Amino acid sequence: AQSVTQLDSQVPVFEEAPVELRCNYSSSVSVYLFWYVQYPNQGLQLLLKYLSGSTLVKGINGFEAEFNKSQTSFHLRKPSVHISDTAEYFCAVQKNSGTYKYIFGTGTRLKVLA
Amino acid sequence: EAGVAQSPRYKIIEKRQSVAFWCNPISGHATLYWYQQILGQGPKLLIQFQNNGVVDDSQLPKDRFSAERLKGVDSTLKIQPAKLEDSAVYLCASSLDRAGGDTQYFGPGTRLTVL
Repeated sequence: AQSVTQLDSQVPVFEEAPVELRCNYSSSVSVYLFWYVQYPNQGLQLLLKYLSGSTLVKGINGFEAEFNKSQTSFHLRKPSVHISDTAEYFCAVQKNSGTYKYIFGTGTRLKVLA
Repeated sequence: EAGVAQSPRYKIIEKRQSVAFWCNPISGHATLYWYQQILGQGPKLLIQFQNNGVVDDSQLPKDRFSAERLKGVDSTLKIQPAKLEDSAVYLCASSLDRAGGDTQYFGPGTRLTVL
C-alpha cells in the first residue's frame, strides 16, 4: 500500500522569501507524484506532476518539485513567494497500475506574511 | 471548458437525517471520484467510477453512504442516516481516464455540517 507524509502542517514565510514544502512517500510499486493547491473555499487544482523522465518538474505559478527516488521524496519549492500563494498544498501519490488510486497527504498550510 | 459542478455548496442537517450531493463532471471525462475532506486532513477517496461502473469503493461506509452514476455522466452521493462525524467537505473530481498520471479536476465541494 502507498502512503504520503507531509512533515509540516503549517509553514509561515515572509513575502519574497524562498519556501520548501516537504513530501515523503512509501510504496511497494511504482507511483506517479502530484502536488495540488487548494485556495480558501475552492477545490483542489494541479500545480505539477511527475510521471517519468527528468526528476525536476516545473509547474504553474513558479513552483517546481524534485523527485528523489533514493529518498522517496517529492519536495515542492518556490524561490520567491507572494501573498497570493497563501493556500493549502497537498502532495499525492498514484499507483501506476490496478485502480490507479490516489492517496493524498494531510496537507501543508502555507501562510505568506507581508 | 466548464469545470466540475457541485451542488449544493453548503448543507446543514441534524443527525439521523438524510442528505444528497450532486456532481456534474467535465464533459467527456470517464472517471469520477467522490472524496471526503475532514477539517485539517487530506481528501479521502470514498468511491471511484469508471463510466457508470464502480472501480473502488473500499473506503465507502456502505451501511450509510451510497453513490450512483447513471449513464456515466452525473453522479449523486447520499448519506442516510447522517452522523456527527460525517461533517466534512465532500469533493467531486473527474479525469479523462483512470490511467496513471491523469490530472484530476476538482469541483468547489459541498460543506456538510451535521448538528
